[in-house]
Amino acid sequence: EVQLVESGGGLVQPGRSLKLSCLASGFTFSNYGMNWIRQAPGKGLEWVASISSSSSYIYYADTVKGRFTISRDNAKNTLYLQMTSLRSEDTALYYCARSNNYGSPNWFAYWGQGTLVTVSS
Amino acid sequence: TGETTQSPASLSFSLGETATMTCRASDSVGSYLAWYQQKTGQVPRLLIHTASTRASGVPARFSGSGSGTDFTLTVSSLESEDVAIYYCQPYKNWSFTFGSGTKLEIK
Repeated sequence: EVQLVESGGGLVQPGRSLKLSCLASGFTFSNYGMNWIRQAPGKGLEWVASISSSSSYIYYADTVKGRFTISRDNAKNTLYLQMTSLRSEDTALYYCARSNNYGSPNWFAYWGQGTLVTVSS
Repeated sequence: TGETTQSPASLSFSLGETATMTCRASDSVGSYLAWYQQKTGQVPRLLIHTASTRASGVPARFSGSGSGTDFTLTVSSLESEDVAIYYCQPYKNWSFTFGSGTKLEIK
């Protein structure tokens, strides 16, 4: 069974940093592209970033480009999102999601339960 | 990538009826479109990919159609468990833009 478990969320002040993690199990992590998607309270879904299976290809939404960094450690079956210069508009539930292949644009086949990030002073 | 437009924003039907919602991509995406269902307080669930292929375990009451820029999700024989927000997601290019969602309610 595919499982994605996010962690690292919390309350953080504007301008500070936070690092999210997503521990994957139930599939061969190194074979699949991975993604971060967020959902602000009461709002819709917003794609944040994607990384291919070997980290060769990385893409970001314009809203986070230059502030967020997606990475992965295939040996640890873990996906990361380093978030810096956080803003109030980054407040959201952050989902980790698995693509259906190694790294071409794709649908999001599996989702974690999400980790909540709140940016507030 | 431009905006992805879903309509209507909400719709209400009686049990057993058929509901249809649409998704319009800003540019042609071929058949590269997915649909997701999100019930209140739950994680989004993949329903349809490649415009019309149901994901594993999705009932045949859910069907997708369309290509290019215009797509449709149809939910037939509506059940109370279908109450949710439905999102579409074109995926031809990187920089994914989800639609704003269609909220399905039962009368």
